[in-house]
Amino acid sequence: LAKTTQPISMDSYEGQEVNITCSHNNIATNDYITWYQQFPSQGPRFIIQGYKTKVTNEVASLFIPADRKSSTLSLPRVSLSDTAVYYCLVGEPGNTGKLIFGQGTTLQVKP
Amino acid sequence: DAGVIQSPRHEVTEMGQEVTLRCKPISGHNSLFWYRQTMMRGLELLIYFNNNVPIDDSGMPEDRFSAKMPNASFSTLKIQPSEPRDSAVYFCASSPQWPGPEDYGYTFGSGTRLTVV
Repeated sequence: LAKTTQPISMDSYEGQEVNITCSHNNIATNDYITWYQQFPSQGPRFIIQGYKTKVTNEVASLFIPADRKSSTLSLPRVSLSDTAVYYCLVGEPGNTGKLIFGQGTTLQVKP
Repeated sequence: DAGVIQSPRHEVTEMGQEVTLRCKPISGHNSLFWYRQTMMRGLELLIYFNNNVPIDDSGMPEDRFSAKMPNASFSTLKIQPSEPRDSAVYFCASSPQWPGPEDYGYTFGSGTRLTVV
């Protein structure tokens, strides 16, 4: 399973765009990149998944360069409620699937 | 859909006692995962099942831990005997075995906070 590296923590202010970058140098051909969000006292929640280029949903955007060795989760105009831990995971969805979580990035949004 | 349901939400027990955590996955999901989360070690995968069959239990810390999935709608994680170092939040998650475009990602339950004193 590909190892991921992401910043331990980040600070931001309300209304700003936040970009969290994850490195996954040994990503395999069949691997997808998935991001989860975890609030205190809750289980992780799926945010977004992608394979290459750009993926956008109502919550976030995911940018993946052509070499796929990194990815960037972009949260537009964050609010206080976006304060959470964000995990980047790399793996093959489906039958082989078991997600291994790293340390994640603790995002603190300030007023 | 009620999502992944775990019980109890909180459990406090004395060292040496048996503890059983329960999980009901989302209907139609045939992969189930048990995770443990602590401040020191983060989220650790303990075991996962596909179609009720344990596939990988290499994350189970020791023989005191056991997990079963007798049918597609129920799983248990048992610790016997429990020790203070087992104190953690235990999460259950489920997913389709072969996710389609609308099924990406695992769905996690709210967790069981276990305290062993």
